[in-house]
Amino acid sequence: DVKVTQSSRYLVKRTGEKVFLECVQDMDHENMFWYRQDPGLGLRLIYFSYDVKMKEKGDIPEGYSVSREKKERFSLILESASTNQTSMYLCASSEPGQATNYGYTFGSGTRLTVV
Amino acid sequence: GDSVTQMEGPVTLSEEAFLTINCTYTATGYPSLFWYVQYPGEGLQLLLKATKADDKGSNKGFEATYRKETTSFHLEKGSVQVSDSAVYFCALTNTGGFKTIFGAGTRLFVKA
Repeated sequence: DVKVTQSSRYLVKRTGEKVFLECVQDMDHENMFWYRQDPGLGLRLIYFSYDVKMKEKGDIPEGYSVSREKKERFSLILESASTNQTSMYLCASSEPGQATNYGYTFGSGTRLTVV
Repeated sequence: GDSVTQMEGPVTLSEEAFLTINCTYTATGYPSLFWYVQYPGEGLQLLLKATKADDKGSNKGFEATYRKETTSFHLEKGSVQVSDSAVYFCALTNTGGFKTIFGAGTRLFVKA
């Protein structure tokens, strides 16, 4: 079974900490995405990457950065965590040109609480 | 810009009831349309899709038809089960595949 794996299901961090959320996919997909999910707002795109070392800002990139050193791994970084970054974070992947036919494959999510 | 609007929840139904969750969209070009489902504590899973106008997507008893004239993609199921309790997201993906726009999600509760 193809998989997108997020390293942590639940995280609790303190305000001001630097936080790393990790995502690994085993499908050799080129495109990877980070979303945050909040009640009533659906999913909002933070960053995406279409190749190793390539990244593009999504709709809400402020306060976040990303790293993609290897094709299978896409990391989301909260430089200085704040309470308004408490949310569910979802990683997804797709193959270029196939998303319109097959959609995205999602990980199980990381629920981050910043206290 | 592109957008997706779906009916607010929660929707509460009894087992074997008929389900409709409305979804409308605005988009340039010819996007693909999707329904994703999120069970408690999990990520999103693709439920069904339609890639062009008048296509009907179906899976697990759920159906949705891509209606370009009404810009809609309503999700239906003839007889819901308790196991269908989840959050359902309508989404569109543009022709490049780099951007998917999600609706706010509709939570469904099915009572035994």
